[in-house]
Amino acid sequence: DTEVTQTPKHLVMGMTNKKSLKCEQHMGHRAMYWYKQKAKKPPELMFVYSYEKLSINESVPSRFSPECPNSSLLNLHLHALQPEDSALYLCASSQDFVAQEAFFGQGTRLTVV
Amino acid sequence: AQKVTQAQTEISVVEKEDVTLDCVYETRDTTYYLFWYKQPPSGELVFLIRRNSFDEQNEISGRYSWNFQKSTSSFNFTITASQVVDSAVYFCALVAHYGFGNEKLTFGTGTRLTIIP
Repeated sequence: DTEVTQTPKHLVMGMTNKKSLKCEQHMGHRAMYWYKQKAKKPPELMFVYSYEKLSINESVPSRFSPECPNSSLLNLHLHALQPEDSALYLCASSQDFVAQEAFFGQGTRLTVV
Repeated sequence: AQKVTQAQTEISVVEKEDVTLDCVYETRDTTYYLFWYKQPPSGELVFLIRRNSFDEQNEISGRYSWNFQKSTSSFNFTITASQVVDSAVYFCALVAHYGFGNEKLTFGTGTRLTIIP
C-alpha cells in the first residue's frame, strides 16, 4: 500500500465553522507534512511532523491547528478561517526525513465562504 | 537560502514530440537533493526522481530522462515521444541538508505541460 489517503476530498465551510482534515498512511513512514497550494502556485509547506512530534511550523496562523494522534494519522483542525484560506490542502509522508521520496495524497479542496 | 527557478510557465507540444523542462537551482550547501514531481489534474503530486548532489550521472527511465549539471546548477527533464497522459504540471524541487528535522522541500513555480493530440 503506497497510498496517502485524505478526507474529505472537498469541503465548503463558513468562517465561523470548525472542521478537520484527515490524512492517513500505512507505509510505516515517520515524517508527515501539510502543504497548502493555491491555484497555479507551487505547494507551500505548513507543518512537518517527525516521529509524531511537530518539527516545523512555517509561521502558520493559529486558526490552523495540526495534530498527529499516531504514526499513521495526521489531522488539520480548522477554525475561524478566512476566504483567502481557500486552497488545495495536501498531505504527504516520507520514510523519516524530507530528502526522500515523498508520497502525496490527492488533497482536500477547501472553500471558505 | 534555497531557490528553484522554472522559467517555462507553460509549454504545449504536439503528441510524439520531445520536450525539455528546465530547472535551475540555487543553494550554498554542498549536500543537497533535487526532485521532479508531476501533478496531474487529479491533484496529487507524483514522485518522478531524486538526485543527490554527489551523483551527476544522467538517468533514463523509459521515455523520461534527466540531465543534472552542477556547473550550471541545472536539473533538466526531457520527455521523449510525448503522450497525452504526460499533460500535467511538473515541479522541480530542492532539499538542502541543513540539519535533521529542519530540511524543507523548496518547489519551483512549476511548468504546465500540455500535449496536443
